[in-house]
Amino acid sequence: DTAVSQTPKYLVTQMGNDKSIKCEQNLGHDTMYWYKQDSKKFLKIMFSYNNKELIINETVPNRFSPKSPDKAHLNLHINSLELGDSAVYFCASRDRGDTGELFFGEGSRLTVL
Amino acid sequence: GENVEQHPSTLSVQEGDSAVIKCTYSDSASNYFPWYKQELGKRPQLIIDIRSNVGEKKDQRIAVTLNKTAKHFSLHITETQPEDSAVYFCAEESSGDKLTFGTGTRLAVRP
Repeated sequence: DTAVSQTPKYLVTQMGNDKSIKCEQNLGHDTMYWYKQDSKKFLKIMFSYNNKELIINETVPNRFSPKSPDKAHLNLHINSLELGDSAVYFCASRDRGDTGELFFGEGSRLTVL
Repeated sequence: GENVEQHPSTLSVQEGDSAVIKCTYSDSASNYFPWYKQELGKRPQLIIDIRSNVGEKKDQRIAVTLNKTAKHFSLHITETQPEDSAVYFCAEESSGDKLTFGTGTRLAVRP
C-alpha cells in the first residue's frame, strides 16, 4: 500500500505548455505539501495545505496553482511552463502528532524542453 | 526568515569510519530538528529527529546532538557501511508547520 502517491512519475513537455501533477495520501493526515528539488538537490517548500486550506505559500510564481479537493488530495497545476521549472516535485503529508514525520511521495520528474 | 546552513556539501569516508554532518539555524524559536536520508532516485525518508528539550538522541549507529545556545545540531553515523551512501538533509521547524531543509550533504562510503 503506497502511503503518498504521485502521478505522473515522469513528465516531459515543451515550454509554454500547462501541466498538472496529482498527489494522494492514504495516511489520514491533515497536512499536505509540495516541495521542489532542483538539480543541486535543494529541497524547497512551495505550498502547504491543512485540511484543504492553504497555510503556506512561499514565493512561488503565480503560474503554480495548488488545489486540494479534499484533505487526502493535493494537486499542482503549472501554467506556461519555463525551462527553470525543470525539477523533481515531491508531494508530502504529515500528521501533527508526536513525531512530526514528513512522508514523501516518490517524486515527479518534470523536464521542460 | 528561516535559514539552515549545512556542512559539508560532500563527504567521503572509508567503510567503518564515522561521519559527521553539521547544521546551523537562525530562528531561535525552532523546536524540532529532523534528519532525512535520500538514496539515489528515491524519496527523502526520516532517519532520526530531536526536539528542543533534548540534547542528544541515539538510534543504533546514528545519533543527533543539539546545542540550542549555539543554534547548531549534528548527525553522527558510526561504523559506516556502503548502504549509508546517500544525500542527507537536516531540517528545522519553528512555527507555522513549515519544515525548512538544509542544502544537503552527499555522503559516499568507500568499501
